[in-house]
Amino acid sequence: ETGVTQTPRHLVMGMTNKKSLKCEQHLGHNAMYWYKQSAKKPLELMFVYSLEERVENNSVPSRFSPECPNSSHLFLHLHTLQPEDSALYLCASSQDGGGADEQYFGPGTRLTVT
Amino acid sequence: AQSVAQPEDQVNVAEGNPLTVKCTYSVSGNPYLFWYVQYPNRGLQFLLKYITGDNLVKGSYGFEAEFNKSQTSFHLKKPSALVSDSALYFCASRSYNTDKLIFGTGTRLQVFP
Repeated sequence: ETGVTQTPRHLVMGMTNKKSLKCEQHLGHNAMYWYKQSAKKPLELMFVYSLEERVENNSVPSRFSPECPNSSHLFLHLHTLQPEDSALYLCASSQDGGGADEQYFGPGTRLTVT
Repeated sequence: AQSVAQPEDQVNVAEGNPLTVKCTYSVSGNPYLFWYVQYPNRGLQFLLKYITGDNLVKGSYGFEAEFNKSQTSFHLKKPSALVSDSALYFCASRSYNTDKLIFGTGTRLQVFP
């Protein structure tokens, strides 16, 4: 459970604000992921980083901007969000990006856009 | 296109009874299949996975899953349910030639005392 940490756990922001979500993994993994979890919908993969290179950008609006400064840290920069962006944002990591490796998830950041 | 279906939004089971949470998949080639559990206000927690070999996979907390290639299913099972098993369960699959993990919509398991 403490292998992947996320801060903050809760965030309320206005549509004109700029904020960042932070994720840190302590597992020595090479791949990190951002997911969006909304009620009654499958988890939506947003971004994948493998060895600090972005390998997947799943048609995510530009108001979401990821950053991966090293293999242990992943950020999601948010600006001019919309109310429909309110969701649980989950970070995950895996040994490598793909194959049979399972992913380890953080507890998530509950984002509310007002 | 790759997809995962969990046909039941909710499964209700009495404590001590066996439980099954259903999952079917549509993946090209041989799939990698996973089950995750999510407790309230927590992230997803890995339970078990199928890669190859024995069709019956054992995982954490007494859960197991059976891979059935002809029915393209990977149902999650437990012989005797506990109240503490109540949570949201997600099935996921990945084709061998892609990085993308595809999740189902989740099944809420409610175990009653």
